[in-house]
This record gives sequence, C-alpha cells and structure tokens, in this order.
Amino acid sequence: QKEVEQNSGPLSVPEGAIASLNCTYSDRGSQSFFWYRQYSGKSPELIMSIYSNGDKEDGRFTAQLNKASQYVSLLIRDSQPSDSATYLCAVRGVDSSYKLIFGSGTRLLVRP
Amino acid sequence: DGGITQSPKYLFRKEGQNVTLSCEQNLNHDAMYWYRQDPGQGLRLIYYSQIVNDFQKGDIAEGYSVSREKKESFPLTVTSAQKNPTAFYLCASSIGGVGGNQPQHFGDGTRLSIL
Repeated sequence: QKEVEQNSGPLSVPEGAIASLNCTYSDRGSQSFFWYRQYSGKSPELIMSIYSNGDKEDGRFTAQLNKASQYVSLLIRDSQPSDSATYLCAVRGVDSSYKLIFGSGTRLLVRP
Repeated sequence: DGGITQSPKYLFRKEGQNVTLSCEQNLNHDAMYWYRQDPGQGLRLIYYSQIVNDFQKGDIAEGYSVSREKKESFPLTVTSAQKNPTAFYLCASSIGGVGGNQPQHFGDGTRLSIL
C-alpha cells in the first residue's frame, strides 16, 4: 500500500515566523506532488504543485522536493493567523497516474 | 464563473435509504473523482471517471455507485449497503486523465449524516 505520511500537529508558530510542513512518501516512482490547504469545515484548496527536484516559490510559499529522500516540504514565510489551517500533501505515482494519495494533513496554528 | 458545484451542502439519510449527491463542473475537465473524508483523516478515493460512460472503483467503493452520462456531471449514490455513511464527501475534477500531471480541484463538499 503506497503511503503519504505527515505529522498531524498541531504545528504552532508565532505570527511572522516561517512555518515548515513536511511530507514523506513511499512510492519511489512518484512524479507529481501537491500541497492543499483546508480550512476547518471547508474543502481543500490547491496552493502549490511541484514536479522536479528543488525549490519552487510562489509568493510566501515555497515547495521543496527531494525525490532521492522521498520527501516534500512546504515553507510558509511571514506566517499570518489566516494561514491557520490543515495542510494536505498529495502524491501521484507512476503506476496509478490517475490517483492522488493524500496524507492525513498537518494542522498549522499561527499565534497572533 | 467556472467551478465545481456540489449539492446539497448538508444531507441526512434515514435507515435503509439511498441518497444521491450531485456534482457538476463547467471547467470542461475530462476526469472527475469522489472522495470521502472522515474527521481528522485524509481523503480516500471512492470512484473516479476519466471519460463519459466510463468509471472505475477507488479504494473504498463498496456501498457506493456512480454514473457519468455527461462530461459535466458525476453523481454519487450512497446506498443502504454503506453502513457508516457519515462523512464529508468531496467531488474533484482535473484536466486530462491517465498520465496527466494536472492537479485536482475540489467542490465545496457535501456533509452527510445519518438520522
């Protein structure tokens, strides 16, 4: 069974700090990686996608991918209370290319 | 506005009853998906469809059924065989299907409870 693992948290950071969210995956052939943000009671919202090793930046968000270590992370700079949510990591493998495997999410709490 | 519309937002099921959750998209996406989310859990795939008139079982298809008669629509029926239907149901869609790298985008969800 292919798995995506995330620390459930909560990860608590002060406002203005960098929040670092981590995700590991078991399928070495995985090709596509996504981060979704989910506010309580709401549906997931795509915030980042990354497909190749290295960093990808979009505003205050940076996704980092290391396929050799089977590790993907999301950094949120200048964290705001409005960033408080659950962040879901999703991974698409090679042999099930239609299917995203979701982690159970990390809850982030940004303290004012 | 383009998007994915799920209805109803809240749904209550009586014992032995089948209920149908609606999902409509106007994004011209080929692929559509149904997920179930339980409290504190990730998303689990129920069914997915790559093209009209074709769909495949996901990881937890038992007790559910779907149809894909139109590209825009992918309704999910929760049958009486699903003994623990209380969950948050999410419909998603994506451009393309097998082999595609495109992300999935979600509707607002339907919250189903047992009466």
